[in-house]
Amino acid sequence: DSGVTQTPKHLITATGQRVTLRCSPRSGDLSVYWYQQSLDQGLQFLIQYYNGEERAKGNILERFSAQQFPDLHSELNLSSLELGDSALYFCASSGVRGNTGELFFGEGSRLTVL
Amino acid sequence: AQSVAQPEDQVNVAEGNPLTMKCTYSVSGNPYLFWYVQYPNRGLQFLLKYITGDNLVKGSYGFEAEFNKSQTSFHLKKPSALVSDSALYFCAVRDLIGSGNTGKLIFGQGTTLQVKP
Repeated sequence: DSGVTQTPKHLITATGQRVTLRCSPRSGDLSVYWYQQSLDQGLQFLIQYYNGEERAKGNILERFSAQQFPDLHSELNLSSLELGDSALYFCASSGVRGNTGELFFGEGSRLTVL
Repeated sequence: AQSVAQPEDQVNVAEGNPLTMKCTYSVSGNPYLFWYVQYPNRGLQFLLKYITGDNLVKGSYGFEAEFNKSQTSFHLKKPSALVSDSALYFCAVRDLIGSGNTGKLIFGQGTTLQVKP
């Protein structure tokens, strides 16, 4: 158990809809990262937050947005969903505790867009 | 830009035999390198990392990796494979941005390890 919690584990929705994925980082971790894993694109970095502030942005579509709240949990919002958005979405966290550099991943949220 | 390459889509070995999965990197500055494993329908689990120091790094489940600066490689190895090692393995490099140690990881495409009894 990595200590990173993601909900929901599975989500099935229709094209054009909007969903919210939630992530609770390990206790004390200030950084949250979102990744998308699809068969053809591998693991793609989407966005990073550090202590509530956006820190880095990757290949995140304009239809997607994220935020990190004061209690450090994060949400990834996906809107106007398309079939191609079907993927496994991972949240990871890291922090200054130990300062060792590795990320700790949650179990992921599997999104299926029909 | 920082990047890693895993040239093998799949590695097949027999149980009890040694295994190697290849990873090469391209970074500016000193590399921070990682290996992760992903079992089916699970998240990524950290195996080991190289930050500095000894070129041979030991990690979880009997895995080790050898850092080679001249060849810009960080190959993952295990002396004796188990069927239960069958999974998807990712090499990654930290993208050092800004200050501190909160840079994202950039992943290779992954190598599927198949260990046959």
